[in-house]
Amino acid sequence: QQQVKQSPQSLIVQKGGIPIINCAYENTAFDYFPWYQQFPGKGPALLIAIRPDVSEKKEGRFTISFNKSAKQFSLHIMDSQPGDSATYFCAASGVPQGGSEKLVFGKGTKLTVNP
Amino acid sequence: GAGVSQSPRYKVAKRGQDVALRCDPISGHVSLFWYQQALGQGPEFLTYFQNEAQLDKSGLPSDRFFAERPEGSVSTLKIQRTQQEDSAVYLCASSSGRGQPQHFGDGTRLSIL
Repeated sequence: QQQVKQSPQSLIVQKGGIPIINCAYENTAFDYFPWYQQFPGKGPALLIAIRPDVSEKKEGRFTISFNKSAKQFSLHIMDSQPGDSATYFCAASGVPQGGSEKLVFGKGTKLTVNP
Repeated sequence: GAGVSQSPRYKVAKRGQDVALRCDPISGHVSLFWYQQALGQGPEFLTYFQNEAQLDKSGLPSDRFFAERPEGSVSTLKIQRTQQEDSAVYLCASSSGRGQPQHFGDGTRLSIL
């Protein structure tokens, strides 16, 4: 059972465009939603994260929108640049009693920003 | 150190051999996680340590997988009698504690021939 569903699988935009990546989750115990950026041959790097007490968070050109009732969240990249070309992963975690803060990842979105 | 360090970066082994993968977390980080990332997929959780205690090993796929963190710092993931399906990138992440972000190393790419 996939607990975090991510779409689209791939995305191509022109420089300056605003790619949007969407994720949906099922487990209402999740309370932490980070986005990671991964370049080939590198580990995932944390971009931005949100908790359910806010509906939006901005850090630089990256914005997370969060809809708790719909159990959905999305990443927007403003003024995208060719250097943003990478694979983006959404993730979620929650801490059930006795459990760990393990991250559950989506399957990833490969973003290509053309010059 | 400045970041999470993993070694070796690449490991090739023959089916049936044992392998050991090392993770040096960020200094002072009490939480350490291992994930497995198959080609074209997102990372999947394997196991979690808080200091030297292994508190969650629910993601280990079989009893051939074993992890330890004896002094609460460096961790080793060992895979015994490797199989072709073990081929993947093994990622280590650490965090400073509960509720804090996880920082990943660049992983070890394991190829089983």
